Amino acid sequence: QKEVEQDPGPLSVPEGAIVSLNCTYSNSAFQYFMWYRQYSRKGPELLMYTYSSGNKEDGRFTAQVDKSSKYISLFIRDSQPSDSATYLCAMSFTGGGNKLTFGTGTQLKVEL
Amino acid sequence: DAGVIQSPRHEVTEMGQEVTLRCKPISGHDYLFWYRQTMMRGLELLIYFNNNVPIDDSGMPEDRFSAKMPNASFSTLKIQPSEPRDSAVYFCASSRAPDDTQYFGPGTRLTVL
Repeated sequence: QKEVEQDPGPLSVPEGAIVSLNCTYSNSAFQYFMWYRQYSRKGPELLMYTYSSGNKEDGRFTAQVDKSSKYISLFIRDSQPSDSATYLCAMSFTGGGNKLTFGTGTQLKVEL
Repeated sequence: DAGVIQSPRHEVTEMGQEVTLRCKPISGHDYLFWYRQTMMRGLELLIYFNNNVPIDDSGMPEDRFSAKMPNASFSTLKIQPSEPRDSAVYFCASSRAPDDTQYFGPGTRLTVL
């Protein structure tokens, strides 16, 4: 079993839909949780960063962490075609850098 | 800032050949990371450096893989000899501090025939 599990998709939604992306993990020692966005043929870029359990909102994006269930989510409101990308969850034992463990990514397509 | 620079962007080689991938981190970033991305395994950390010193190479798959960082602005990942199963996209990333955001380069797409 992988330490971090993520549904690979692809996930296709109409423009304006609310998108829910999820990851589960097995190691309860993870404390820092991130979402990266990766456009085709590009490197991943950090989208959201949260510590421990709780919610964090940034514009149309909301990251949610439930440590008791070992489950994290990324919600995208009013999705746009420009949101079409692969979304990777990542987590670590220390903050931010050092040995990130990534999910395999969920491919999202937002259609006009 | 130009961001993390990687070269070449694409590399096609034959099994058994030596492959060298190059990375220039963002100036002032003390941490450098090498990752490999495949469809099956996702993004995996191979090795990371702090102030040019390798800190953790537990992700390096085999002795065929080696990485160096001779100075703060340059790192190489070498595969010798290369095998078809090494085909993947290799990313370099850098960060200012251990708790800071990692910035990824555009990657090198390696195909070993």
